[in-house]
Amino acid sequence: ETGVTQTPRHLVMGMTNKKSLKCEQHLGHNAMYWYKQSAKKPLELMFVYNFKEQTENNSVPSRFSPECPNSSHLFLHLHTLQPEDSALYLCASSQVPPGQGWYSPLHFGNGTRLTVT
Amino acid sequence: TQLLEQSPQFLSIQEGENLTVYCNSSSVFSSLQWYRQEPGEGPVLLVTVVTGGEVKKLKRLTFQFGDARKDSSLHITAAQPGDTGLYLCAAATSGTYKYIFGTGTRLKVLA
Repeated sequence: ETGVTQTPRHLVMGMTNKKSLKCEQHLGHNAMYWYKQSAKKPLELMFVYNFKEQTENNSVPSRFSPECPNSSHLFLHLHTLQPEDSALYLCASSQVPPGQGWYSPLHFGNGTRLTVT
Repeated sequence: TQLLEQSPQFLSIQEGENLTVYCNSSSVFSSLQWYRQEPGEGPVLLVTVVTGGEVKKLKRLTFQFGDARKDSSLHITAAQPGDTGLYLCAAATSGTYKYIFGTGTRLKVLA
């Protein structure tokens, strides 16, 4: 399998549930990202991992907890979510070379459509 | 806060027409990318521009990066129904890989 794979594709959960989103990339990349896509809002960067280390937490509420056990896998653990957290959650990966001035594109999965009831 | 404003927000045109989508910011970026997203899928990269004034062509799509590297445009010639989708610009400042995305332009091309 190639590219970036996200599971599940759809998830409906109650506000008291705990669930996890999974992302796997088969591209050999060293950076992985979680983005949130809501209606009428730009794609919002949530978390960035580079070589399994979290390098960015874009003021995301603690009810979202990321985990990156290795360069190929990324999880987003969800607990006590709110209805406004309903959105499409996109995982992406890229290759980050050392130094500045690089232009590596993002490779996205097809997302998990999350509905919080 | 860095923002990328795209215009227009929505565009519905007939097959064969030309169109231009704009991506504007007050910030300077080291690179800018354009993505297209179709329903039920993630965004897919179309092009990366890195030099001020750069023009890149991808079949019927022409991309331009502003001289000051603050804005970009995407021009589609003779649009086709297959061009339908959400067009997103994205940019990162020098030395970071924190991409911010524009507000998006939703294009519908009618046959």
